[in-house]
Amino acid sequence: QVQLQESGPGLVKPSETLSLTCAVSGASVITPKWWSWVRQPPGKGLEWIGDIYRGGTTNFNPSLKSRVTISVDESNNQLSLKLSSVTDADTAVYYCARPRSDNGDYGFGYWGQGILVTVSS
Amino acid sequence: QSALTQPASVSGSPGQSITISCTGSSSDIGNYNYVSWYQQHPGKAPQLIIYDVYSRPSGVSDRFSGSKSGNTASLTISGLQPDDEAHYHCSSYTIITRLFGGGTKLTVL
Repeated sequence: QVQLQESGPGLVKPSETLSLTCAVSGASVITPKWWSWVRQPPGKGLEWIGDIYRGGTTNFNPSLKSRVTISVDESNNQLSLKLSSVTDADTAVYYCARPRSDNGDYGFGYWGQGILVTVSS
Repeated sequence: QSALTQPASVSGSPGQSITISCTGSSSDIGNYNYVSWYQQHPGKAPQLIIYDVYSRPSGVSDRFSGSKSGNTASLTISGLQPDDEAHYHCSSYTIITRLFGGGTKLTVL
């Protein structure tokens, strides 16, 4: 059974860098066709942050592209997200997600439980 | 890029059917059959209920169905049950981007 668990600081100061990891159990982090990060500001809808594909190609939300880094850490079997120069608008629950099967469709079949990150001084 | 457009809320009585629309453009929904739908209960992560416009993951009730016409995708829930009360989100995938709708709150009266 694939399980995803996000972790990282729950509080980040404005202008600093938000850093999160997504620990993967029950599967290898390198086998899915893609991984994604998605966020959800309190009381609002979902927002796509970016994808990383098998092989390392990335796509990012144009509104976040200049501030986002997504990478895969095979040695620790985890996914990471870095978002620089954060502001209050980056306060959200952050999720990692992947497809249902390694070579499957483009729906988010597995999600982590999410981690609330608050940007505040 | 613009988000997909969903109604903010819909409602229905137990046993009834409801449909939630998700409108995009010819650059996303209209040109790709990669629309997915998610159910989200309060405080929980979203759960995939429809992928590739029409397909249901194993374990998802056949009361949930998806369709598409032009630039608009739709989710239909038949035989409404109290546990269907939740937020529903649509998403589209293209080779360069993903979009989400704003989410729809379903109330089962």
